Amino acid sequence: GAGVSQSPRYKVAKRGQDVALRCDPISGHVSLFWYQQALGQGPEFLTYFQNEAQLDKSGLPSDRFFAERPEGSVSTLKIQRTQQEDSAVYLCASSLVFLQMGPYGYTFGSGTRLTVV
Amino acid sequence: AQSVTQPDIHITVSEGASLELRCNYSYGATPYLFWYVQSPGQGLQLLLKYFSGDTLVQGIKGFEAEFKRSQSSFNLRKPSVHWSDAAEYFCAVAREYGNKLVFGAGTILRVKS
Repeated sequence: GAGVSQSPRYKVAKRGQDVALRCDPISGHVSLFWYQQALGQGPEFLTYFQNEAQLDKSGLPSDRFFAERPEGSVSTLKIQRTQQEDSAVYLCASSLVFLQMGPYGYTFGSGTRLTVV
Repeated sequence: AQSVTQPDIHITVSEGASLELRCNYSYGATPYLFWYVQSPGQGLQLLLKYFSGDTLVQGIKGFEAEFKRSQSSFNLRKPSVHWSDAAEYFCAVAREYGNKLVFGAGTILRVKS
């Protein structure tokens, strides 16, 4: 597609529920990133994939967070047993270039706003 | 560890006035520096980036930024602000040959007519 697509746009979950957030990167983009943006804050890095390999998951806040990209395209961020502190916008970004920023930078999706009640 | 400071949480300028948004970074080596803009409910749009070379970088929508190594700063400027520039602006840094971005907390720009 023309841009990075994320679904759903909005998700309300009851505390303790599991949720799955989807990211469709730009076709052919090798790198895929997940960021978490709490209200009033800048985005914070969660995890990074090169194709299907998860090369960096140092930003995942707990073992309740899990991300996958099994075929090197679509990625899913799963949050188990959601807590109120998980409420945030989850942003996905993709990049054509592996590792090096190069001239391309990232393209971000519009995000999924998760509200845990 | 890298960090980014945007000292101003909110800035209000009159339409047509000039704008400068401040950004200071902490990183030992040559960083990759970025400015992004985010409108409500939207993703982040890249305004401009600095990797090397000329320290004055031109971006989209009439924005520019200047990298000053001695001050560890990468301030964003625009000579004449338009009402449509009202949004939140984020400065970000990445390691040389790195991948993940470290963002500042953002500056909300309000434009008054």
